[in-house]
Amino acid sequence: ETGVTQSPTHLIKTRGQQVTLRCSSQSGHNTVSWYQQALGQGPQFIFQYYREEENGRGNFPPRFSGLQFPNYSSELNVNALELDDSALYLCASSLVIIQGGGGYTFGSGTRLTVV
Amino acid sequence: SQQGEEDPQALSIQEGENATMNCSYKTSINNLQWYRQNSGRGLVHLILIRSNEREKHSGRLRVTLDTSKKSSSLLITASRAADTASYFCATALPTGANSKLTFGKGITLSVRP
Repeated sequence: ETGVTQSPTHLIKTRGQQVTLRCSSQSGHNTVSWYQQALGQGPQFIFQYYREEENGRGNFPPRFSGLQFPNYSSELNVNALELDDSALYLCASSLVIIQGGGGYTFGSGTRLTVV
Repeated sequence: SQQGEEDPQALSIQEGENATMNCSYKTSINNLQWYRQNSGRGLVHLILIRSNEREKHSGRLRVTLDTSKKSSSLLITASRAADTASYFCATALPTGANSKLTFGKGITLSVRP
């Protein structure tokens, strides 16, 4: 059973540029969520995808967008990068169940630095 | 915004001692989960407790949930140096089968050999 893999592990971008982060879900999982974790803070929910559609969004501007593909992998795109976008970006996959919810499997994250 | 608030913010104990970490939250929940994070890497799911449960055990972990007080505690017994990490509680709201997780700021646990 493979876990969640994210690429790249580290990235440095210039303010104003665009970035794409990638995530491969754990085998058998059909839901993927993205989180942003600033230094010294807890992760903040960006959005979730289920069946290739956005299924909930946190308090992030529209320049944060995403995709989920038929194989359940996902991309996070951020346009017009700002310095405050520097953070660890975490992808998490899970299996939708009808009742009770379940735990998430997180990837190791992509450390984005905007200069 | 942070739903969960962990307490204490930092905890330092000797190997072999027990570590107790607390979490309080503000709204009704579907479940509460605890995660561990080593040195800014990915989160590892430790244990999940549903809103209709009061206590769960998993190996050296014991978690309790008091929905009337909107609080949870995580106990790690017989701590090891390898338990050194940041610990987060996260709540899932009672909407939908799998909804977003709302995390606290985390507790830094240091276990001295």
